[in-house]
Amino acid sequence: GAVVSQHPSRVICKSGTSVKIECRSLDFQATTMFWYRQFPKQSLMLMATSNEGSKATYEQGVEKDKFLINHASLTLSTLTVTSAHPEDSSFYICSAYGGGGGGGYTFGSGTRLTVV
Amino acid sequence: GENVEQHPSTLSVQEGDSAVIKCTYSDSASNYFPWYKQELGKRPQLIIDIRSNVGEKKDQRIAVTLNKTAKHFSLHITETQPEDSAVYFCAARGGNTPLVFGKGTRLSVIA
Repeated sequence: GAVVSQHPSRVICKSGTSVKIECRSLDFQATTMFWYRQFPKQSLMLMATSNEGSKATYEQGVEKDKFLINHASLTLSTLTVTSAHPEDSSFYICSAYGGGGGGGYTFGSGTRLTVV
Repeated sequence: GENVEQHPSTLSVQEGDSAVIKCTYSDSASNYFPWYKQELGKRPQLIIDIRSNVGEKKDQRIAVTLNKTAKHFSLHITETQPEDSAVYFCAARGGNTPLVFGKGTRLSVIA
């Protein structure tokens, strides 16, 4: 079945530093990648949508200069949290569209970001 | 855009009883309605889904019903077991647009 590899699974960083999260579709081409953020005990909130080779589309309230998304190939998308602050601490998860199962959506395993 | 409402936010049932979670959606163009189970710190796991051309789908103890006219869909879990305890999310979307999630239901199955 479709597999999306997301790394790192956990990261702790200092305030002011940047963190890059990678999502790779291992056995299919992800035409679209969705990035979600999930705060404790809350739902998954869409941050942005990226199509390969295009600029990402950000949801209202999400700072595009803070959350940099690159989708340079059909198998790799990255989310970089720049100048991270403690309030950015969250669970970040990607969902790749283009695989076979689950309506075409395949989730990565998520990244737990803690900013200290 | 799509808006998905989910109820209840928490649900406790005795082991062996049934659990029902309900969702409504706003966009009549939505045509795909998955349900996910998420355990703490892990990715959502698809447990069942339904498309707009079907009214009901069943997979062992899990069933989903869809009422397109009323724009609501429900998850039914029968003979609940302690391992069913988790957070369940409904979602909706049309085409290759993003999945829009409900706020989630925390299900506790009491042994």
